[in-house]
Amino acid sequence: NAGVTQTPKFRVLKTGQSMTLLCAQDMNHEYMYWYRQDPGMGLRLIHYSVGEGTTAKGEVPDGYNVSRLKKQNFLLGLESAAPSQTSVYFCASSTGRMYEQYFGPGTRLTVT
Amino acid sequence: GIQVEQSPPDLILQEGANSTLRCNFSDSVNNLQWFHQNPWGQLINLFYIPSGTKQNGRLSATTVATERYSLLYISSSQTTDSGVYFCAVERYGKLIFGTGTRLQVFP
Repeated sequence: NAGVTQTPKFRVLKTGQSMTLLCAQDMNHEYMYWYRQDPGMGLRLIHYSVGEGTTAKGEVPDGYNVSRLKKQNFLLGLESAAPSQTSVYFCASSTGRMYEQYFGPGTRLTVT
Repeated sequence: GIQVEQSPPDLILQEGANSTLRCNFSDSVNNLQWFHQNPWGQLINLFYIPSGTKQNGRLSATTVATERYSLLYISSSQTTDSGVYFCAVERYGKLIFGTGTRLQVFP
């Protein structure tokens, strides 16, 4: 039981490039989330999903897109990376809205 | 939106000392979680505690929802307790994080 995994662990992009971050969970959780963490700050919600085929905007959705084609996977896309998107990205999952969230190990993204 | 404030922002302890971390929130919430982010960046669930008191070894937490605060107690601190402690409150299905308390425990 791996819990929540994220791919890749590190990535460097040039401004304007695109990439996709993959999150996978093996706990059969309905809810999945993408957060970003910037230095000295807590995590901020980018997008989330309440089930397969659904997505919704969080606190800071601009510049990102997401897809949940399979229940166990949640993808975060950057179509045209900007230096302001340099951050550590965390994925999380939970059984439902009122249940605790479990986090992946994070992806450190640098945009130059 | 709801504000989540943690205090103190930084805490330095010698091994064996006790400490109390506080989380204040500005509106009613459905649940509250405490996390420890270790020096390698991993976020670890400590407590899911919308109200009441829970204990897990040297750590315990109390949430008084009616007064909009939660406390995390660490007793007999160890160097492995170092890291950042976050509280996060749930509103409308979304977790709102505080800015954290950075704890350093020295031998």
